[in-house]
Amino acid sequence: AQSVSQHNHHVILSEAASLELGCNYSYGGTVNLFWYVQYPGQHLQLLLKYFSGDPLVKGIKGFEAEFIKSKFSFNLRKPSVQWSDTAEYFCAVNAKGGATNKLIFGTGTLLAVQP
Amino acid sequence: SQTIHQWPATLVQPVGSPLSLECTVEGTSNPNLYWYRQAAGRGLQLLFYSVGIGQISSEVPQNLSASRPQDRQFILSSKKLLLSDSGFYLCAWSRDRVETDTQYFGPGTRLTVL
Repeated sequence: AQSVSQHNHHVILSEAASLELGCNYSYGGTVNLFWYVQYPGQHLQLLLKYFSGDPLVKGIKGFEAEFIKSKFSFNLRKPSVQWSDTAEYFCAVNAKGGATNKLIFGTGTLLAVQP
Repeated sequence: SQTIHQWPATLVQPVGSPLSLECTVEGTSNPNLYWYRQAAGRGLQLLFYSVGIGQISSEVPQNLSASRPQDRQFILSSKKLLLSDSGFYLCAWSRDRVETDTQYFGPGTRLTVL
């Protein structure tokens, strides 16, 4: 069965620190990969997604993620975080070639950025 | 622009009582609709999805059911709630069933079953 693991449940950083949130997936086939974010008081929204091509994808607000197929990973990075990046981050996958758009999510990582 | 609404925002219900959560989407037609649940300490789990009126697919066996009586309305129901039904319920929509299509989420309903 497909699954997604996010090992960092709670991360606390100071402003300007670098961020890397881990995401590993388990699936026997090819996948599409997503990072969603939920800012306080807002809806869950898409941060970035990877389907094919360059394994380094860039999203909104300076975030990027790298797909490493050999490690089944899709880690999220940002060189310098801001207080406004405080949010909960979710990694998700779905099966490439699937008949429907069904996402499998990780448990989420709560990021707190201290000013 | 498109918007998605869910209500109620919070709900506290006794075990054995019925449940009805509603989700509506505005500004688009024939969306794909999804119900997810996040239980404590767990990721978002897809419960149901719908590609059209009256077309519901269930992802996990459970105490819940879903219906789509209108194109942009998606309802999550239960006849008798269990303690294990507690959680955060999110509705989402996408323009297509294409696997790469972005899903747009509603504000969610926090359900506590006592």
